[in-house]
Amino acid sequence: KNEVEQSPQNLTAQEGEFITINCSYSVGISALHWLQQHPGGGIVSLFMLSSGKKKHGRLIATINIQEKHSSLHITASHPRDSAVYICAAQGGKLIFGQGTELSVKP
Amino acid sequence: NAGVTQTPKFQVLKTGQSMTLQCAQDMNHEYMSWYRQDPGMGLRLIHYSVGAGITDQGEVPNGYNVSRSTTEDFPLRLLSAAPSQTSVYFCASSYSNHNEQFFGPGTRLTVL
Repeated sequence: KNEVEQSPQNLTAQEGEFITINCSYSVGISALHWLQQHPGGGIVSLFMLSSGKKKHGRLIATINIQEKHSSLHITASHPRDSAVYICAAQGGKLIFGQGTELSVKP
Repeated sequence: NAGVTQTPKFQVLKTGQSMTLQCAQDMNHEYMSWYRQDPGMGLRLIHYSVGAGITDQGEVPNGYNVSRSTTEDFPLRLLSAAPSQTSVYFCASSYSNHNEQFFGPGTRLTVL
């Protein structure tokens, strides 16, 4: 079993839908990162959080330390949100999930 | 600021050839790292450095060497390329191991 697991692996949504991507981890962490990778593109950090909730525009990230679970929400999704979303658990080093490939259709 | 830069963007090698992937950052970050990304495997840590003159192995270090002579540069060397090293390589930097990571654009390497 991977130390960091994401679900779903693939997700197709219609423009405007509310999207949730989940991340569960089994290791002790000091923080949880959410990253975005566009097709053929580089990797951009979206959030780093160690408790509670963070919001940036239409993106919201939450974390429950007791349950070792984090979620990334996208409100009013748009085709430009199509990308791979990666969570990474920050312990002694970063441990990455395998990513969730999101496609938002117009 | 240029952020994190990587060269080359693409490279094709023959088995047994050597090469160096370059990584540089202009943010005065102490922590730098190299990852490889393979389909279905996620990102995996190859080597990392917590400051100039200090490097350590990550999860998949075999076949790779690194050095950190300056804060800015963190090159990754493949001594004798193998087809198993075909991958996309990302360099990243941050103030410390517990801060936001900044990634370079990646190098797509194919070993024939």
